[in-house]
Amino acid sequence: GIQVEQSPPDLILQEGANSTLRCNFSDSVNNLQWFHQNPWGQLINLFYIPSGTKQNGRLSATTVATERYSLLYISSSQTTDSGVYFCAGGTSYGKLTFGQGTILTVHP
Amino acid sequence: GAVVSQHPSRVICKSGTSVKIECRSLDFQATTMFWYRQFPKQSLMLMATSNEGSKATYEQGVEKDKFLINHASLTLSTLTVTSAHPEDSSFYICSAPRAYNEQFFGPGTRLTVL
Repeated sequence: GIQVEQSPPDLILQEGANSTLRCNFSDSVNNLQWFHQNPWGQLINLFYIPSGTKQNGRLSATTVATERYSLLYISSSQTTDSGVYFCAGGTSYGKLTFGQGTILTVHP
Repeated sequence: GAVVSQHPSRVICKSGTSVKIECRSLDFQATTMFWYRQFPKQSLMLMATSNEGSKATYEQGVEKDKFLINHASLTLSTLTVTSAHPEDSSFYICSAPRAYNEQFFGPGTRLTVL
């Protein structure tokens, strides 16, 4: 099956800093998503981005499908951005393989 | 607002009992839903695909007789953990696609087996 490698595993920032999270896939995927898992475990959809670039406020994401990687950018980070970020992708309808996650801590 | 709900959010049971978890799509129909499991400080692992009107398909290593899945309608899938044991304690999360392949996840069910 597909292997998903996320980096970095941990990231500590000061409020206001920018960051980039990366996801590498071992094979091509036709669906790719980024999530933020809140402290109660709920997965919040950030982006559905099998290819191209999208932006939503301070967050943006870029997927280069031909090179099998995706990037999540967080600008002007806030303490509320803290949590675990997951990328996930797959080839079969709906089935997702998750990366190991990036634990983001933003200090005031 | 939420598009996928799960019930219960938390359950504590004794070893040997069975526990049923419900997953509902709230404003759309889903012929397929997915069940994941997440152990503490780990990632999500796909357990099975729930198919409306047919049998569920299980990932390798997941016991189908242990984790019974029923997709009773286009908005409801249930996962029953039979004869639960402490090693089944985990966070169970379902998902459903609302449009194209984009998955929306329920809030999860935290199962603790004593």
